[in-house]
Amino acid sequence: SAVISQKPSRDICQRGTSLTIQCQVDSQVTMMFWYRQQPGQSLTLIATANQGSEATYESGFVIDKFPISRPNLTFSTLTVSNMSPEDSSIYLCSVGLGQGGQPQHFGDGTRLSIL
Amino acid sequence: DAKTTQPTSMDCAEGRAANLPCNHSTISGNEYVYWYRQIHSQGPQYIIHGLKNNETNEMASLIITEDRKSSTLILPHATLRDTAVYYCIVRVEYDYKLSFGAGTTVTVRA
Repeated sequence: SAVISQKPSRDICQRGTSLTIQCQVDSQVTMMFWYRQQPGQSLTLIATANQGSEATYESGFVIDKFPISRPNLTFSTLTVSNMSPEDSSIYLCSVGLGQGGQPQHFGDGTRLSIL
Repeated sequence: DAKTTQPTSMDCAEGRAANLPCNHSTISGNEYVYWYRQIHSQGPQYIIHGLKNNETNEMASLIITEDRKSSTLILPHATLRDTAVYYCIVRVEYDYKLSFGAGTTVTVRA
């Protein structure tokens, strides 16, 4: 498996501001993903972070709200823009290590609270 | 759309085997069964996965029925640290996307 580090681990932000979350992996990976986990809920995939091209967003998530960068095979960022209290969630990065049926592995997430 | 059905919650006795069921009656031939767990305040932890054969690793065993419509995750000797939400997920080999349901909240009691 890979070691996945997310920064910050938690933050409290004011509404209307933006926050960028970083995800660093200790080895080169093919696939990187961003998930959201709202309070008391399960995980929902936001987007697939593609290296060298735009991210692929799932239904209900848009680039203007959640811009994603993936400059190389070990790093990605997710920005939560113009935040409102409804954006209070845990945001998780995950990676896919190889082809075929290989599993994804997750970081411990960023716990975000919006006041 | 939920592809798997799991009980909402289960209680297990410490030191005993915990058997977690999962129904996936619409599974396709190229879909794997994955199990993850999420301990409070942590990211999901991969446990095990399989296609059609039973699998075992250092954490658990996965038993898949012959028709592949259901599976059971077995934690052989549950400890208090196994208290978590357990997710059963089906996924095609070539698509990394994971669709998480509500999972089973497992509480291991001393």
